[in-house]
Amino acid sequence: NAGVMQNPRHLVRRRGQEARLRCSPMKGHSHVYWYRQLPEEGLKFMVYLQKENIIDESGMPKERFSAEFPKEGPSILRIQQVVRGDSAAYFCASSPNLDEQYFGPGTRLTVT
Amino acid sequence: RKEVEQDPGPFNVPEGATVAFNCTYSNSASQSFFWYRQDCRKEPKLLMSVYSSGNEDGRFTAQLNRASQYISLLIRDSKLSDSATYLCAGWAGSSASKIIFGSGTRLSIRP
Repeated sequence: NAGVMQNPRHLVRRRGQEARLRCSPMKGHSHVYWYRQLPEEGLKFMVYLQKENIIDESGMPKERFSAEFPKEGPSILRIQQVVRGDSAAYFCASSPNLDEQYFGPGTRLTVT
Repeated sequence: RKEVEQDPGPFNVPEGATVAFNCTYSNSASQSFFWYRQDCRKEPKLLMSVYSSGNEDGRFTAQLNRASQYISLLIRDSKLSDSATYLCAGWAGSSASKIIFGSGTRLSIRP
C-alpha cells in the first residue's frame, strides 16, 4: 500500500509565477489536508478537503491560494503570483476518517 | 493562548535517560490527540495516538490529563536514534475538522 505521494518534491519559481503542488492520498483515504511549514517553525493548517468539496479552508490566505480535490486525480494546491514569503515546505496528509493523519514527503517551494 | 502549546526545548539528554514532554491544549472539547516525530527536512511520522486511557508502545508512553488539559510523552531508555523534533497535535474546532499542531519540542540524545 503506497503512502501519501506528493510531487514535485522540489519546486523553484520566480516571483509572479504560479506554483502547482499535487497530492495523491493513500488508497482508501477520502480526507486530504494541506499544511505549510516555514523553517524552524511548526506545521500550520491550511485546508481540509474531501472529494470535490472544501470542508475547512480557515488556514488559507485570502488571496492567491486555492485548493481542489477533484473526483478523479490528485488534490492540487495552487499558488498564483508567488512571492518570496511563499517559500516553505508544503505537506499533504490523508486520513480514512476523522482520526490519524498520514503525511506525504512534502514539496519544498523556493521562490527566487 | 495557542490552541496547542509545547516547550520548544531543545532537550539534550544522555543515551539511556528517560525524557518527558508535555503539551497543553486549550479546546476542552478535543477528543483525540497524537504525537508525531519529525526528522530534519522530513515529513512528520505518526508515533502514537492518545486517547483517554493513554497508550504505551515499547519505550514510549503517552497519557492524557483532561482535568489539566495536557498530554504527555515519556521516552524510556532513550537511543541516539530518538533524536528528532516531537510534535503534539489535537483535533480543533467545534466540528473537529482540522488537527492543530504544536510547534514541536526538539530532542537531542548524546552518546
